[in-house]
Amino acid sequence: DTGVSQDPRHKITKRGQNVTFRCDPISEHNRLYWYRQTLGQGPEFLTYFQNEAQLEKSRLLSDRFSAERPKGSFSTLEIQRTEQGDSAMYLCASSFLMEPQHFGDGTRLSIL
Amino acid sequence: SQQGEEDPQALSIQEGENATMNCSYKTSINNLQWYRQNSGRGLVHLILIRSNEREKHSGRLRVTLDTSKKSSSLLITASRAADTASYFCATDLLSGGYNKLIFGAGTRLAVHP
Repeated sequence: DTGVSQDPRHKITKRGQNVTFRCDPISEHNRLYWYRQTLGQGPEFLTYFQNEAQLEKSRLLSDRFSAERPKGSFSTLEIQRTEQGDSAMYLCASSFLMEPQHFGDGTRLSIL
Repeated sequence: SQQGEEDPQALSIQEGENATMNCSYKTSINNLQWYRQNSGRGLVHLILIRSNEREKHSGRLRVTLDTSKKSSSLLITASRAADTASYFCATDLLSGGYNKLIFGAGTRLAVHP
């Protein structure tokens, strides 16, 4: 059983640079979610896709953030002009309809 | 903002003891879920309890839900060192026809051999 895969696992970048993360959901899952998790806190919802349509975006997702899910398969999350406050673990999850979400192991972003 | 609040924030016990974690939330829910997270890893779904259920069991896990008090508890019986992890409750608000999960800050459980 192939779970949710995220790449890269770790990303270190300088402030002001752009970064892109990739998420490959479980193949039959039509729903995909992005979360952000800071140290000592639970995940916070960022955005949700059903197939290729982005149906909800949190107010946490500033205009420097953009997410896509072309063809309703893998998804990318891009952060432009990174800031210190963007340092966090970015988690992707997928589900089939209303079933529980399956999470990937996340991408840990560190901003120097 | 996070809806759920777990209590305690940290719990340290010996192997074989039971561990109880509590979760309180603020708004009406569709269901409540518990997840486990090992250090540096993603979250693993443990159990889901619907708003019309009061208690649910899965192996060594027992979850209760009191919607009148807006609270839930997770009991892990006969704990093992491998249970060491952070445990999160997540309320499912069924917003816009999908499962929007709102997580608490978690309980960090340490089980010592």
